[in-house]
Amino acid sequence: DVKVTQSSRYLVKRTGEKVFLECVQDMDHENMFWYRQDPGLGLRLIYFSYDVKMKEKGDIPEGYSVSREKKERFSLILESASTNQTSMYLCASKQETYEQYFGPGTRLTVT
Amino acid sequence: AQSVTQLGSHVSVSEGALVLLRCNYSSSVPPYLFWYVQYPNQGLQLLLKYTTGATLVKGINGFEAEFKKSETSFHLTKPSAHMSDAAEYFCAVTGSGGYNKLIFGAGTRLAVHP
Repeated sequence: DVKVTQSSRYLVKRTGEKVFLECVQDMDHENMFWYRQDPGLGLRLIYFSYDVKMKEKGDIPEGYSVSREKKERFSLILESASTNQTSMYLCASKQETYEQYFGPGTRLTVT
Repeated sequence: AQSVTQLGSHVSVSEGALVLLRCNYSSSVPPYLFWYVQYPNQGLQLLLKYTTGATLVKGINGFEAEFKKSETSFHLTKPSAHMSDAAEYFCAVTGSGGYNKLIFGAGTRLAVHP
């Protein structure tokens, strides 16, 4: 079974802090994704990566950056956290078969 | 641009009743379509997918969906709801640019009451 893990289930940070969310997949997938999930808005793509050191902006990249130094690991970085970044963050990975496999999510609260 | 509309943010059914969750999409390319389920405090799990071939797709937990190109729909059904089906359901369609991205609907929360 594909396993996607995220470093934290719950996280509380203060406004202005730098925040790192980490995601690891164990199936040698080429593609990895970061989404945020908000009530009534579904999932919105922040960034994705199709290879090591390769990244592409999604629909809502502002205020975020990413890092992919190794194939199995994809990090989401909030350079200076703000309260409007309070959300559920979901990581996913996929290979050629089109479906994405999701991690359990990190619920981030910025106070 | 691709988009997904899920009619009804909340659906409530009785245990044993038919479940029908509606999904309509727009796509400029032949779509691949997905239904995902999210149980409380968990990530998303794939229920079923349509890529090519048979338009009636069967998934896990007794769910199925039918791709209707003329109606641009991909509604999810289950003949008899179970209490364990209570969850949030998301419909998704592949985006443009090589089928790499998914565009998600806003989700439908299904409640099942005794």
